[in-house]
Amino acid sequence: DADVTQTPRNRITKTGKRIMLECSQTKGHDRMYWYRQDPGLGLRLIYYSFDVKDINKGEISDGYSVSRQAQAKFSLSLESAIPNQTALYFCATSAPGGQGQPQHFGDGTRLSIL
Amino acid sequence: SQQGEEDPQALSIQEGENATMNCSYKTSINNLQWYRQNSGRGLVHLILIRSNEREKHSGRLRVTLDTSKKSSSLLITASRAADTASYFCATALNTDKLIFGTGTRLQVFP
Repeated sequence: DADVTQTPRNRITKTGKRIMLECSQTKGHDRMYWYRQDPGLGLRLIYYSFDVKDINKGEISDGYSVSRQAQAKFSLSLESAIPNQTALYFCATSAPGGQGQPQHFGDGTRLSIL
Repeated sequence: SQQGEEDPQALSIQEGENATMNCSYKTSINNLQWYRQNSGRGLVHLILIRSNEREKHSGRLRVTLDTSKKSSSLLITASRAADTASYFCATALNTDKLIFGTGTRLQVFP
């Protein structure tokens, strides 16, 4: 079984719909992250959480919200989806360390907004 | 904004050849990491080099870091078709946040 599991793997939806992407992990890590990947732009950080009560905005948080339901679960929501949010979304985890621990990624959710 | 920029954007080589990818970054770092991404999959951590290290090896991978030039290189020796993937550098400052570069797409032909 994968250490970091993202659901769904693929989603096609319409403009204006609310969408939730889910991430769960079995690594026991405190830190969890949501990234967006667009062609030619690499990964950009949307939100991150260093523990259950800690939520922080990343580089591109507008239009997104998150919920850390438990240490193992971190979900990303698009309240009202728009076409330019079409992208590949990744969840990642890391152990605490404070100076950049290696991150462990799920296999992503491919989201298309029509 | 991107911290790291990889060069070249794309690289095609034959099996058995060496592949070199470069990463430049903008600010001081605590460490620099390299990741691989196979098509349709998540990123996989390959190697981490700290700011006080100049070179590190892991199997067929060799990473160098030049903090005076704010650059790093990843060398894959004796490339295999299975090395075909995108490779990303990522830099860490004083937190556990990483800032990723734009990636190099490597194609290794059998």
